[in-house]
Amino acid sequence: DAMVIQNPRYQVTQFGKPVTLSCSQTLNHNVMYWYQQKSSQAPKLLFHYYDKDFNNEADTPDNFQSRRPNTSFCFLDIRSPGLGDAAMYLCATRDGGSRNEQFFGPGTRLTVL
Amino acid sequence: EDKVVQSPLSLVVHEGDTVTLNCSYEVTNFRSLLWYKQEKKAPTFLFMLTSSGIEKKSGRLSSILDKKELSSILNITATQTGDSAIYLCALAGGTSYGKLTFGQGTILTVHP
Repeated sequence: DAMVIQNPRYQVTQFGKPVTLSCSQTLNHNVMYWYQQKSSQAPKLLFHYYDKDFNNEADTPDNFQSRRPNTSFCFLDIRSPGLGDAAMYLCATRDGGSRNEQFFGPGTRLTVL
Repeated sequence: EDKVVQSPLSLVVHEGDTVTLNCSYEVTNFRSLLWYKQEKKAPTFLFMLTSSGIEKKSGRLSSILDKKELSSILNITATQTGDSAIYLCALAGGTSYGKLTFGQGTILTVHP
């Protein structure tokens, strides 16, 4: 089945220790998104890729970086996680055509100790 | 800036009840409005509504857009405990890259 996969599903890191979250897709969609969702809040877009073009939301902290080495994979790097970065991180994809439907992965829940 | 407001924030009902969830929005350039269901994992897609105003239905769920009132409703009839979830409304506005602006969600709890 075509899908969006995120690894790991749960990640525990220490304050200030870099962490990388992974997303892969078999949908061959050319747009990929990373969202941060804190408890009881709406998902908040961090950045997206349209093919290899990277676009940062204006209020995304510099602590968050992303890489997309090919169509299938996208990574979220948090350089120095703080306690406030504990959240669910959602990856989503979209066909770059006119439909706006986004397909979400299962998410990675990040805990910062 | 695009804005999405959902109401109520939470709702508790019993199995068999019918519920109506509301979503209102402010947008510069409307493309579509989407409803998602989120259990203890990632959101799953329910409906996408466009300015055509056509009602969408899937089983006990239905949704419609009122473009004049800048709002949408999601109806669930004969609710079941499996309908318990957060229902998110999201707006696809004027950006070319399909950015979704999410509302804060409605937490629906269905008791047996």
